[in-house]
Amino acid sequence: EVQLVESGGGLVQPGRSMKLSCAASGFTFNNYDMAWVCQAPKKGLEWVATISYDGSSTYYRDSVKGRFTISRDNAKSTLYLQMDSLRSEDTATYYCAREPLFNYWGQGTLVTVSS
Amino acid sequence: EIVLTQSPTTMAASPGEKVTLTCLASSSVNYMYWYQQKSSASPKLLIYYTSILASGVPDRFSGSGSGTSYSLTISSMEAEDAAIYYCLQLTSTPRTFGGGTKLELK
Repeated sequence: EVQLVESGGGLVQPGRSMKLSCAASGFTFNNYDMAWVCQAPKKGLEWVATISYDGSSTYYRDSVKGRFTISRDNAKSTLYLQMDSLRSEDTATYYCAREPLFNYWGQGTLVTVSS
Repeated sequence: EIVLTQSPTTMAASPGEKVTLTCLASSSVNYMYWYQQKSSASPKLLIYYTSILASGVPDRFSGSGSGTSYSLTISSMEAEDAAIYYCLQLTSTPRTFGGGTKLELK
């Protein structure tokens, strides 16, 4: 059974950093591109970033370029999102999802950016 | 960036009623993907490659369209179909979601 389990969310002050993790199991992790998708409270879904299966290519939405870094450790079957210079508008539930179909999602982890 | 516009924003349907949700793209896309999200749960893939039903999805759901115009149809509304539905395009980066359609039970 495919499982994606996010962790690392919580309350953080504006300007600070936070690192999210997504532990994958039930499939060959290094065969798939992976993505982060966020959802602000009572808002819609927004794609954040994607990383290729081998980590060689990364893609970001404009609003997080230069602040967020997506990475992966295929030996540990784990996806990461390093979030720096956090802003109040980054407050959201962050989901990891398996590409190319986004057919598997984690349960999400809530990041709250507030002083 | 390809903008996806979903309509209606909100609608209510009676049990047994046929429901059609639309997703218009600002530029042509190769395929459309549809997701269902209930309450605060994670999104669930319903339709991929415009018209292929994901595993385990009831066959009352169907998808169609091409170019810039796509639709998701529920042939006969059931209570469990009350949810928010999102379309997603993967043709170009950034990947973009539509704003969602909230479907309620009448």
